[in-house]
Amino acid sequence: AQKVTQAQTEISVVEKEDVTLDCVYETRDTTYYLFWYKQPPSGELVFLIRRNSFDEQNEISGRYSWNFQKSTSSFNFTITASQVVDSAVYFCALAFTGGGNKLTFGTGTQLKVEL
Amino acid sequence: DGGITQSPKYLFRKEGQNVTLSCEQNLNHDAMYWYRQDPGQGLRLIYYSQIVNDFQKGDIAEGYSVSREKKESFPLTVTSAQKNPTAFYLCASSPFRGTAKETQYFGPGTRLLVL
Repeated sequence: AQKVTQAQTEISVVEKEDVTLDCVYETRDTTYYLFWYKQPPSGELVFLIRRNSFDEQNEISGRYSWNFQKSTSSFNFTITASQVVDSAVYFCALAFTGGGNKLTFGTGTQLKVEL
Repeated sequence: DGGITQSPKYLFRKEGQNVTLSCEQNLNHDAMYWYRQDPGQGLRLIYYSQIVNDFQKGDIAEGYSVSREKKESFPLTVTSAQKNPTAFYLCASSPFRGTAKETQYFGPGTRLLVL
């Protein structure tokens, strides 16, 4: 069975702090895809990144970076120098080749960035 | 602008009533999906469709029905058999059918409340 665990329910930081959101996944498939989405208060999910299981290179996009480690089944997300606009719920999700288009979501991490 | 639209933003249902949520996309995507989100939980898949006139049940299809008569439209009906319909409903689409690697893009959501 596929499963995604986001153990951090809520994180509060002060603006300009760095913050890491954890994501641990379970799957028996060798080919799978991992995603991060941002859900601001408006509700719409915004796609941030997709990573396939054969690409363990870390990725950086501006203040965002992702660390994918197959050895620990983790796909963690770091925001550097956080800003108030980063306040949102962040979801990690998993898709595997045997599951068609189905995404399995974690329960999300609520990030609050305060001044 | 290309995107996914959902209407209405808020919907109220009376006991025993069927209600239909609209989802339209002009991205020329093949696949479309419906998810349900409850407070503090991740998204759960209700139904998905990879091609016109075909759809499959997701993890929580009971009490819901869908149709896919046009590529751009995938309405969801919440029937009276759904005993706990209060939730946030999100529609999504992805470019190609049947592949796990495709990124799903989401609409703004409809919040359904029971009177």
